[in-house]
Amino acid sequence: GAVVSQHPSWVICKSGTSVKIECRSLDFQATTMFWYRQFPKQSLMLMATSNEGSKATYEQGVEKDKFLINHASLTLSTLTVTSAHPEDSSFYICSALFGYEQYFGPGTRLTVT
Amino acid sequence: RKEVEQDPGPFNVPEGATVAFNCTYSNSASQSFFWYRQDCRKEPKLLMSVYSSGNEDGRFTAQLNRASQYISLLIRDSKLSDSATYLCVVNIPTSGTYKYIFGTGTRLKVLA
Repeated sequence: GAVVSQHPSWVICKSGTSVKIECRSLDFQATTMFWYRQFPKQSLMLMATSNEGSKATYEQGVEKDKFLINHASLTLSTLTVTSAHPEDSSFYICSALFGYEQYFGPGTRLTVT
Repeated sequence: RKEVEQDPGPFNVPEGATVAFNCTYSNSASQSFFWYRQDCRKEPKLLMSVYSSGNEDGRFTAQLNRASQYISLLIRDSKLSDSATYLCVVNIPTSGTYKYIFGTGTRLKVLA
């Protein structure tokens, strides 16, 4: 099946620093990837849609200057959380589109202290 | 009305039982439908895709009712390992592209 990796799997950073999360499709090319955030006991919240070679489309309420998305190749999308604050602590999950099906990466647990 | 609605549960069922979840959607233009399972603190994993009237894979059956705008997931002979949250996802055409809308999930606990 389609495999998506995500790195790092967990990260702890200090308030004010930036963190980059990578999402890779390992055995297929993905023109479209999605970035989600999930708080404990809540459903996935779509943050943005990442399209290779073009600007990401952000959902309402998601600051594009704070959550920088780069989809420079057909197998890699990155999400950079800039000037992280404790309220950004969450589980960040990416997915890559294969046909009409989304395949998810294992997620990145971010803790901002 | 929410675009995709699921009963949050939890559904507590004994091992071996048959359990069914429903998911309703509001946009009649929805094209494709998916069931994912998500274990605690893990990523969602694709369980089944539903493009026409239904799909079956072993103990799992998904059915689509376009007239009433719902999809269902039936699990037969429940196993302890089926305990998870089941997410309904609907693919909705929007502005020349597609959007995937997630339900809030239905929690299933299979009891020994």
